[in-house]
Amino acid sequence: EVQLVESGGGLVQPGGSLRLSCAASGFTFSSYWMHWVRQAPGKGLVWVSRINSDGSSTSYADSVKGRFTISRDNAKNTLYLQMNSLRAEDTAVYYCARASYGYHIWGQGTLVTVSS
Amino acid sequence: SYELTQPPSVSVSPGQTARITCSGDALPKQYAYWYQQKPGQAPVLVIYKDSERPSGIPERFSGSSSGTTVTLTISGVQAEDEADYYCQSADSSGTYEVFGGGTKLTVL
Repeated sequence: EVQLVESGGGLVQPGGSLRLSCAASGFTFSSYWMHWVRQAPGKGLVWVSRINSDGSSTSYADSVKGRFTISRDNAKNTLYLQMNSLRAEDTAVYYCARASYGYHIWGQGTLVTVSS
Repeated sequence: SYELTQPPSVSVSPGQTARITCSGDALPKQYAYWYQQKPGQAPVLVIYKDSERPSGIPERFSGSSSGTTVTLTISGVQAEDEADYYCQSADSSGTYEVFGGGTKLTVL
C-alpha cells in the first residue's frame, strides 16, 4: 500500500524548534519530488516547501524561508522538515505529499502548536 | 506574491451542476490541480493537469481551462460532494506552488 506517515508534531514555545518526519512506503521514494503543505486551524491549504528527487534542489514559501529546512534521506525513505524560530502563525497541521503532476498521495498530517 | 482566486462559497441542490472557478495570471502557462477536502481528512486530488481525472474519482468531476481561469465542474451533485475545494498551481517560473483560498461547496 502506498502510504505517507508524518510524525514529530507537538507543542513548542515561540522561538523554539521542531523536526517533522514523513515516512514513505509502497513506492520508490527516491523517484519523486516531495512537498510539505500546512493548514492552520479553520483555514485553507498553504504550500510550504518542496525538494527534488535526489535532494539537490529545494524551494520555500516566503513565510518560512530562512527558518525552515526541507531534506530527505532516500536510503531511509524519509522526508524531513526542520522548523526553527517558530512563531504562533506557524501553528497548523503539516502534511507531506508526493508530487507527480499534482499531489496524488498525502499523509494524514501532524499538528504543530506554537504557544507559550 | 502570486495568488489564485476562488469564490468562498458555492451552493447547489442535489442533481444540479456546480461550477467552481479559479483565476490566476500564470494559469495559461501552468497546469492547475483540484483537491477535495472533507472535515478532519487530508485533501484528495480530483483533477490534475487542468482536466485529467485520477483513477477512482467519479466521472461527474471534470476540469476545464480558458485563459487565466480554470473551472471545476461537478455534474449531478450528490450530498457526499459537500466539501471544501482547493485549486493549486505554480507561479510563472514554476518555482513556487500556490493554493487558492478554497471554496466551500454546500449541497442544499
